[in-house]
Amino acid sequence: KNQVEQSPQSLIILEGKNCTLQCNYTVSPFSNLRWYKQDTGRGPVSLTIMTFSENTKSNGRYTATLDADTKQSSLHITASQLSDSASYICVVSDRGSTLGRLYFGRGTQLTVWP
Amino acid sequence: EADIYQTPRYLVIGTGKKITLECSQTMGHDKMYWYQQDPGMELHLIHYSYGVNSTEKGDLSSESTVSRIRTEHFPLTLESARPSHTSQYLCASSDPHGLESSYEQYFGPGTRLTVT
Repeated sequence: KNQVEQSPQSLIILEGKNCTLQCNYTVSPFSNLRWYKQDTGRGPVSLTIMTFSENTKSNGRYTATLDADTKQSSLHITASQLSDSASYICVVSDRGSTLGRLYFGRGTQLTVWP
Repeated sequence: EADIYQTPRYLVIGTGKKITLECSQTMGHDKMYWYQQDPGMELHLIHYSYGVNSTEKGDLSSESTVSRIRTEHFPLTLESARPSHTSQYLCASSDPHGLESSYEQYFGPGTRLTVT
């Protein structure tokens, strides 16, 4: 069964600190993996997208890693800010589907305290 | 910021009422999607469309219906709302002509529906 599991479910950190969010998936075949940020009451916004051949991709203070062999990804947030408080969703796309089927994790709820 | 819009943003309505959630995009995307999301849970695909006059049901069974008469417009309708329909509904669109490696879904802000 194709699944995407994220950990931790929730995380509280102090402003300025770093954190790492984890994503494990069983989706096969694999096309790409994305990390989205979803603010409360808003739609998800893409942070990074990585294909099989990419193992690191950065977007400002966000750095995503991908290990396609172990089917694991992480999202590292550096020097956290209050505006980083949101749900971070890992999404994996399978290959071979004309729809580009997406499998969503439940997200990690990050809260940054001042 | 993606050019995809949803109205209303919030809706509280009584049981048995007919409602239509609007979704429109100005990017000329052929593919559009409706997702349902409950708090703390993953997004579930309920409807999608490859283009005008194309609609398909998604993975999660839904009593809602959709139509795609125009490329930019993909409304979702509930003929008779029930409390079990209370959820957040997210619309998205994508461009199937780009590279798969850069394939992206752009989401609207969502509609928070509460049925009393």
